[in-house]
Amino acid sequence: ETGVTQTPRHLVMGMTNKKSLKCEQHLGHNAMYWYKQSAKKPLELMFVYNFKEQTENNSVPSRFSPECPNSSHLFLHLHTLQPEDSALYLCASSQEPDPITDTQYFGPGTRLTVL
Amino acid sequence: AQKVTQAQTEISVVEKEDVTLDCVYETRDTTYYLFWYKQPPSGELVFLIRRNSFDEQNEISGRYSWNFQKSTSSFNFTITASQVVDSAVYFCALSERSGGSNYKLTFGKGTLLTVNP
Repeated sequence: ETGVTQTPRHLVMGMTNKKSLKCEQHLGHNAMYWYKQSAKKPLELMFVYNFKEQTENNSVPSRFSPECPNSSHLFLHLHTLQPEDSALYLCASSQEPDPITDTQYFGPGTRLTVL
Repeated sequence: AQKVTQAQTEISVVEKEDVTLDCVYETRDTTYYLFWYKQPPSGELVFLIRRNSFDEQNEISGRYSWNFQKSTSSFNFTITASQVVDSAVYFCALSERSGGSNYKLTFGKGTLLTVNP
């Protein structure tokens, strides 16, 4: 498999559930990102990881908990979400975490619905 | 103020028409990058082009062309002889320093292009 993959592609969960989103990149990149895409709003950067270390948390509520066990895998653990958290969650990777010189490649996203 | 403005929310054209998607950006940096991404209905953002702030040459790739005008802070995207498969949301994005050594990619709200047969 090539590129950036995300599972599941669709997820419906209740407000009291705990679930996890998974992202895997097969590009040999060192940086990985989580974005949130809500209807009618620009993509919002949530987290940045560089060589497994979190380098940016864009004021994301603690009910979203990222985990990066290695440079190829990124998780987003979800618990006690709110209906307004329903969105498309996109994962991306790049060779370096410096977008000035690098390009981010995106996965297909996970469409999350919180009931 | 928005960093990246895509004033056209939706555009609808008939196949084979040319269409231009506008992008205006705002930054204080002298070094920055501009991007265009395509998001088809499947959801995945597809990288189209990256242009740095020192290279104002226009670029053409097949039916796609980009016009970078630093004087007007614009980076417009033109599709020539549009096809139904071009239907998607197109995002313009700006990469600039966000503080210290951190950089941030900021996206516009996107333009939904519909190409009708």
